Amino acid sequence: DAGVTQSPTHLIKTRGQQVTLRCSPISGHKSVSWYQQVLGQGPQFIFQYYEKEERGRGNFPDRFSARQFPNYSSELNVNALLLGDSALYLCASSTTGFNQPQHFGDGTRLSIL
Amino acid sequence: QQQVKQSPQSLIVQKGGIPIINCAYENTAFDYFPWYQQFPGKGPALLIAIRPDVSEKKEGRFTISFNKSAKQFSLHIMDSQPGDSATYFCAASIGGYQKVTFGIGTKLQVIP
Repeated sequence: DAGVTQSPTHLIKTRGQQVTLRCSPISGHKSVSWYQQVLGQGPQFIFQYYEKEERGRGNFPDRFSARQFPNYSSELNVNALLLGDSALYLCASSTTGFNQPQHFGDGTRLSIL
Repeated sequence: QQQVKQSPQSLIVQKGGIPIINCAYENTAFDYFPWYQQFPGKGPALLIAIRPDVSEKKEGRFTISFNKSAKQFSLHIMDSQPGDSATYFCAASIGGYQKVTFGIGTKLQVIP
């Protein structure tokens, strides 16, 4: 079975640009969460979506937004990129919103120049 | 504000040794404490998890010890192997598996 897939795997942007990252959950999984992992740190929660509705938001500025589509795939958008946005962005999916463990993808490595 | 404090940040043990990773938390609303294993270039993978009504949980060579009164928990890896070399994260959440708060991570190296 295919795991959580994320695209692209690597991305280079410059300050001020906008970026869209994509995530396809495991088949049958309806919950998708996004995390930011800065080098040398643990992942930090950004958003959770379940059944296409936002169910949680971490302490990130409004430059970060996300959405979930009818097929349960998801996009994370970041506007006005800053150097500090350079990180590994991880997507995780689970079958339901709360009582099932998350399965992480291998992430998108975003570098800001 | 680091809600889950993890130590040490790096650890080197010989094959067969028992590395121990310690974590502490402050938010008493946390009710689920998972540990994740992350290999370079990969996403974190759930290793083992515990709830605060249990003092110890074993899965294979991995054991979690939990001290609710001290708000501390730890991971022990029995008979460690070079293949266990990875970064380990303790974590905590409220009400289930979602919106997980991670520690800073411990980079473990098991030398042959």
